[in-house]
Amino acid sequence: DQQVKQNSPSLSVQEGRISILNCDYTNSMFDYFLWYKKYPAEGPTFLISISSIKDKNEDGRFTVFLNKSAKHLSLHIVPSQPGDSAVYFCAASALNDYKLSFGAGTTVTVRA
Amino acid sequence: KAGVTQTPRYLIKTRGQQVTLSCSPISGHRSVSWYQQTPGQGLQFLFEYFSETQRNKGNFPGRFSGRQFSNSRSEMNVSTLELGDSALYLCASREDQGTQYFGPGTRLLVL
Repeated sequence: DQQVKQNSPSLSVQEGRISILNCDYTNSMFDYFLWYKKYPAEGPTFLISISSIKDKNEDGRFTVFLNKSAKHLSLHIVPSQPGDSAVYFCAASALNDYKLSFGAGTTVTVRA
Repeated sequence: KAGVTQTPRYLIKTRGQQVTLSCSPISGHRSVSWYQQTPGQGLQFLFEYFSETQRNKGNFPGRFSGRQFSNSRSEMNVSTLELGDSALYLCASREDQGTQYFGPGTRLLVL
């Protein structure tokens, strides 16, 4: 049962524009959410996280928004750069549950 | 601080064999988790160890096992390998709770 869903397998965006990645979850016990970036043959790299007590967290070009009532979060990358081309995974965990549940990933391609 | 390291990076085995993968966490991190990534199933949680004790386990058969040593290094073992065990095995560490940081992974190919 996929508790974290990324319904867009791919996203193509022009350099300098905004990339918006979406993620939905079904488990209402999830209270901590993360985004990871992954290049082929490498491990995921942590980008940004947000806890359920907040609705927005910003770190440089990356902003994550959380809508708990809709069980939805999104990652905004502004401006998009060629080095942002990678697979982005949304992940979630519940308090005192030590595992991460991952979405299937969204492949982002930034066009020059 | 040095990141999470995993050895070996690549491995080829045949069906029926067993394999042991190793993970060294970030210094000071006492939690180590293992994940399997396959094209069909995505990233799936195997198990987590904290202070040498397994404190959570995913839905994998008993052929998958692990352990953690007093220095927080962890090993994962897969016995009686099957073709479907071919995957990227990722290790992640963290202090206790909070953000997990991943290693580069071990690519296992079962022939």
